[in-house]
Amino acid sequence: GDSVTQTEGLVTLTKGLPVMLNCTYQTTYSPFLFWYVQHLNEAPKLLLKSSTDNKRTEHQGFYATLHKSSSSFHLQKSSVQLSDSALYFCALRPNNYAQGLTFGLGTRVSVFP
Amino acid sequence: NSKVIQTPRYLVKGQGQKAKMRCIPEKGHPVVFWYQQNKNNEFKFLINFQNQEVLQQIDMTEKRFSAECPSNSPCSLEIQSSEAGDSALYLCASSQPGQGSEVFFGKGTRLTVV
Repeated sequence: GDSVTQTEGLVTLTKGLPVMLNCTYQTTYSPFLFWYVQHLNEAPKLLLKSSTDNKRTEHQGFYATLHKSSSSFHLQKSSVQLSDSALYFCALRPNNYAQGLTFGLGTRVSVFP
Repeated sequence: NSKVIQTPRYLVKGQGQKAKMRCIPEKGHPVVFWYQQNKNNEFKFLINFQNQEVLQQIDMTEKRFSAECPSNSPCSLEIQSSEAGDSALYLCASSQPGQGSEVFFGKGTRLTVV
């Protein structure tokens, strides 16, 4: 079956520093990859999505590139802000969209002043 | 702001009691999902619908969980006999059909089984 692996459970860093959250996946089919962010007591919200190999996608200062050769979709930001403290989930959706999203275990990002 | 509306936000039930939660998907979205997010923040898919018809559901859902998405009424998820292990955040989500369609989530119903 499909799977998504996020290797960091918790990332703590100081405001202004760069961050990279790792995401790798396994699927038999051509996937669509997503990054969702969930702030405390809020609904998960879409941050980025992509199905195009080797094309960088950006939103709200975050960016990621889908690399099908390495089955990766790492999330990056050049300079984190305090408001970036949240849970980040990588997810994939196979081309049978009825299956919905398969999520990784999530990475908690804590940004300190 | 989330356009998927879930009620109630918090639900406390005793073991063996029924627990029912509702969801109004975003207008125009025919695909509806229910996920369970446990205390470790792990997502577990429960069931999904397209236009009131069940597309997929896991075994757990088939036995103690029931769900429906009638037309012109909120979707619902009901646990027939709550167990302590059911304590979790239940997230409803909706989307358009299509692999790349954004899935919109509600804020969830936090169920505590005491």
